[in-house]
Amino acid sequence: KAGVTQTPRYLIKTRGQQVTLSCSPISGHRSVSWYQQTPGQGLQFLFEYFSETQRNKGNFPGRFSGRQFSNSRSEMNVSTLELGDSALYLCASSLVIDLDTQYFGPGTRLTVL
Amino acid sequence: DQQVKQNSPSLSVQEGRISILNCDYTNSMFDYFLWYKKYPAEGPTFLISISSIKDKNEDGRFTVFLNKSAKHLSLHIVPSQPGDSAVYFCAARDQGAQKLVFGQGTRLTINP
Repeated sequence: KAGVTQTPRYLIKTRGQQVTLSCSPISGHRSVSWYQQTPGQGLQFLFEYFSETQRNKGNFPGRFSGRQFSNSRSEMNVSTLELGDSALYLCASSLVIDLDTQYFGPGTRLTVL
Repeated sequence: DQQVKQNSPSLSVQEGRISILNCDYTNSMFDYFLWYKKYPAEGPTFLISISSIKDKNEDGRFTVFLNKSAKHLSLHIVPSQPGDSAVYFCAARDQGAQKLVFGQGTRLTINP
């Protein structure tokens, strides 16, 4: 069974631009969560989608948004990029909403110059 | 407001000895705790978990202890092996908010 895939793996953008990251969950998984990982902050929860609906949202500004498609694939968008948005963005999928076990993708490393 | 804290950013242990990674939390609504292991250029992988109704869970070389009164959990790895070198994250489930809250991570280095 294929794992969680994220594209692209690496991305370089400049301040003010916008970016879209993609996540394909494990086949059959309907819940997708997004996290931001920065040094010293650990993983911070961005949002979670289940069956195309946002179920939960973390404490991030409105510049961060996401969506989930009918095939459970998810995208995350960050508009008006700031230097502080440089981070590893991780996507995780699970079978149901219950967060007992999430399976993470390798992440997208975003660098904002 | 860091609800889950891993106060040691790094830990170095001799191969064969015990590694103890610690995690403290503040939210008494957390009902389930997990440890994840992360290698460079890979996503975190689930290692072991414990429900708040238990105080110990063991899986091979890995044991997690939960002290609810102290709001503290620890991961013990015995014996430590070079392949255990990674960043370890503890996470807590906030059932009310239906989300996982992660600590900052501890980088474990096992020295031969």
